[in-house]
Amino acid sequence: GNSVTQMEGPVTLSEEAFLTINCTYTATGYPSLFWYVQYPGEGLQLLLKATKADDKGSNKGFEATYRKETTSFHLEKGSVQVSDSAVYFCALSGMDSNYQLIWGAGTKLIIKP
Amino acid sequence: DAGVTQSPTHLIKTRGQHVTLRCSPISGHKSVSWYQQVLGQGPQFIFQYYEKEERGRGNFPDRFSARQFPNYSSELNVNALLLGDSALYLCASSPNPTVYNTEAFFGQGTRLTVV
Repeated sequence: GNSVTQMEGPVTLSEEAFLTINCTYTATGYPSLFWYVQYPGEGLQLLLKATKADDKGSNKGFEATYRKETTSFHLEKGSVQVSDSAVYFCALSGMDSNYQLIWGAGTKLIIKP
Repeated sequence: DAGVTQSPTHLIKTRGQHVTLRCSPISGHKSVSWYQQVLGQGPQFIFQYYEKEERGRGNFPDRFSARQFPNYSSELNVNALLLGDSALYLCASSPNPTVYNTEAFFGQGTRLTVV
């Protein structure tokens, strides 16, 4: 079945550091891939998405590229801020079950000033 | 415009009791999905409703049920509560029946604690 695996947290970085959060997936066909973010005390928000191979999603300085050959969708940001502290979830929607999102376990990101 | 609203925000129930959680989608959205998020884990899909019909069901026991009303709001019902049902229950709305290439908008969730 479809599944998502993302790196365990917490990830602790200093402000202005480079961020990578790894995400790999297992799915048949060509799923759509998403990164959602959950700030403290708030609901899940879509950060970015990609719907086909080699697409790059980007938003708020974050980027992720849909890599079919490595079944990956790693999240990156060149210079993180304290306000980026949150839990980040990688998710997919498969062609065979396109009514649901399948989620990774989440990665907590802590940015220190 | 109001986002997805869920009620209540928190509640505490005793094992064996029944609970009803409510969700109002974004105006114009006809699809509502329910997810369970256990602490430290990603959300798990429970149900999706579109135009008042069940479109998808996750791997949850029959104690879990849901329905969607003509105004597209939805209820999630859980019977015979177990300690393991303690979780954050999330509601998501979207304009389409699929989330394959459509953003799902989430409410802040209902925190259920079973004691």
